[in-house]
Amino acid sequence: EPEVTQTPSHQVTQMGQEVILRCVPISNHLYFYWYRQILGQKVEFLVSFYNNEISEKSEIFDDQFSVERPDGSNFTLKIRSTKLEDSAMYFCASSDTSGSYTGELFFGEGSRLTVL
Amino acid sequence: DQQVKQNSPSLSVQEGRISILNCDYTNSMFDYFLWYKKYPAEGPTFLISISSIKDKNEDGRFTVFLNKSAKHLSLHIVPSQPGDSAVYFCAASFGRGSTLGRLYFGRGTQLTVWP
Repeated sequence: EPEVTQTPSHQVTQMGQEVILRCVPISNHLYFYWYRQILGQKVEFLVSFYNNEISEKSEIFDDQFSVERPDGSNFTLKIRSTKLEDSAMYFCASSDTSGSYTGELFFGEGSRLTVL
Repeated sequence: DQQVKQNSPSLSVQEGRISILNCDYTNSMFDYFLWYKKYPAEGPTFLISISSIKDKNEDGRFTVFLNKSAKHLSLHIVPSQPGDSAVYFCAASFGRGSTLGRLYFGRGTQLTVWP
């Protein structure tokens, strides 16, 4: 069964450092997303991406965040200068056309980011 | 952001019995409601969904009920199995004409099914 894969599974970084989280969405999907879950809190939407541009971003997704699809398979989330409060599990997700409306997304296993 | 609420952080049920997980929402403009299941060290997995124009959707052991007037939905699992033990997230989306793939999640309910 096709799946969304994420790397790294866990990254520890110092405050102020740049971090790049990588995702390989399901190959025939066209819509890509990043969500995050701070420990003990809800899963929160960060950004959606379609046709090589951001469709929508939440208020969390400020200028420190960026996304990119550098080639035909990878989808990356960059945090330019990490803060302590960026510590969270980051989930990449993808969907096909119908899923983009109904919310039937396929999530990866997550990348845990710890900022010290 | 409290648009989707799951007020029970945990539920414990004996194997073979019914599990009922509840969810409330505040925004009447939501178009789709979904349940996701999450095991430790894995991402959320889609389980079942319901459109706002329906009041029930069934898939095997899983049934979701929607009460729009009460802004309430529930997930019934019958019969419950130990492998169902996981965190269950309620989620909602605005559907067509709005943000693509943006889900609003509840905090989740940890279901434990014991033998």
